[in-house]
Amino acid sequence: DADVTQTPRNRITKTGKRIMLECSQTKGHDRMYWYRQDPGLGLRLIYYSFDVKDINKGEISDGYSVSRQAQAKFSLSLESAIPNQTALYFCATSDPGTSGDVDTQYFGPGTRLTVL
Amino acid sequence: GQNIDQPTEMTATEGAIVQINCTYQTSGFNGLFWYQQHAGEAPTFLSYNVLDGLEEKGRFSSFLSRSKGYSYLLLKELQMKDSASYLCAVRDSNYQLIWGAGTKLIIKP
Repeated sequence: DADVTQTPRNRITKTGKRIMLECSQTKGHDRMYWYRQDPGLGLRLIYYSFDVKDINKGEISDGYSVSRQAQAKFSLSLESAIPNQTALYFCATSDPGTSGDVDTQYFGPGTRLTVL
Repeated sequence: GQNIDQPTEMTATEGAIVQINCTYQTSGFNGLFWYQQHAGEAPTFLSYNVLDGLEEKGRFSSFLSRSKGYSYLLLKELQMKDSASYLCAVRDSNYQLIWGAGTKLIIKP
């Protein structure tokens, strides 16, 4: 079984709709992240959470919200989707306790979102 | 502003050696990562450098020069399965990863 899973894997929606992307992990990591990836651009951080009670905005949080329901679950919501939110979305986890200073991030398989 | 530069695309021949460069300008430095990403898939961790010098892992090596803001990923004995994008990322003073756009490596027989 995959350590980091994302649902759905693909989603097509219309402008103005509310969308939720879900991420679950079995790695036991405290830290979780949401990124988006667009062609020709690097991964950009949307939100991150270092534990269940900790939520932080990343570089591009406008138009997005998150919920950390448990150590293993981190959801990303688009309150009112718009076409320029069409992208590939990745969830990632890390745990400096197991990887020391490296704090390597491990990525889920991604969700391809299209907003029409 | 913060910036990570990598070539957009490179082509190499199966069995050969290729070097992918990455230059960075960031607010602080707390390590540099290389990830591999096959088309439509998740990025996977390859290497980490925090001190100057070369880190070797099998066919892959990564080099860092902090004074020059420069790193490279060296891939030896190229195989067709090495066709992928290679992402350079720097952890800044806020411990956030700043990502380059990636280098698409095409391997030809």
